[in-house]
Amino acid sequence: KAGVTQTPRYLIKTRGQQVTLSCSPISGHRSVSWYQQTPGQGLQFLFEYFSETQRNKGNFPGRFSGRQFSNSRSEMNVSTLELGDSALYLCASSPYTDTQYFGPGTRLTVL
Amino acid sequence: AQRVTQPEKLLSVFKGAPVELKCNYSYSGSPELFWYVQYSRQRLQLLLRHISRESIKGFTADLNKGETSFHLKKPFAQEEDSAMYYCALSYAGGTSYGKLTFGQGTILTVHP
Repeated sequence: KAGVTQTPRYLIKTRGQQVTLSCSPISGHRSVSWYQQTPGQGLQFLFEYFSETQRNKGNFPGRFSGRQFSNSRSEMNVSTLELGDSALYLCASSPYTDTQYFGPGTRLTVL
Repeated sequence: AQRVTQPEKLLSVFKGAPVELKCNYSYSGSPELFWYVQYSRQRLQLLLRHISRESIKGFTADLNKGETSFHLKKPFAQEEDSAMYYCALSYAGGTSYGKLTFGQGTILTVHP
C-alpha cells in the first residue's frame, strides 16, 4: 500500500497569513492525527479525526483547526500565522489499532 | 497527565558494542508503549511496540511496569542504527484517541 502523503512538502508564509496543509492517509485507514514538531518542544499532538469527526484535541490555540473528508483525507489550517508556528507538521494515519504511520511532513516557515 | 522521558539526548557507541536507549514514563493506567525511529532524511517509522513483543532489526524492549520503563536494547550496534529514536505512549480511554505522547528523542550515533 502507498504510505501517508502530505502536501505541500515546504511552505513559506508571512506573519498574519493563513495556511492549509493536506494529508492523505493509507488506504483503509480512517483515523488521522496531526503533530507539530519543533526543536524546542519536540513532537506535540494537535488533533485527531476519525470518520470526519474530531475525537481528540491537544493544547493548541483555536487558530489551529482541521477537518476530515469522507475519503479520510484530512486538512489542517492555521490562521493568523505567528513566527512560533514555524515547524514540521506531521500527519499520521491508523487503522483501529494504536499503531500510527507517519507521513514525511510539511515544513512551514513563517517570516 | 502522561509523560515520557528520555534522559539521554545524545548517545554514542562503537560498532559491535551493546546499546541501551532509556525511556521512562508516567501514567497510572495500562499504557501502550512504542519506539519510533527516524533515519536521516526519512520519515518517522515504527520500530516496535511492546504489545507485539517482537525483535526488529535486533532491537528489543521490555515493558517494566514496576519501574515504569521501556528501554530499547540491542546487543551489537551497527553503523546503520545511527538515527533519532523516540519513545512514545498511548493509552486506552475516551480522551486518548489518536494521541501519542512522545519523549524528546535520543540521537544514537554508532561509530565505526
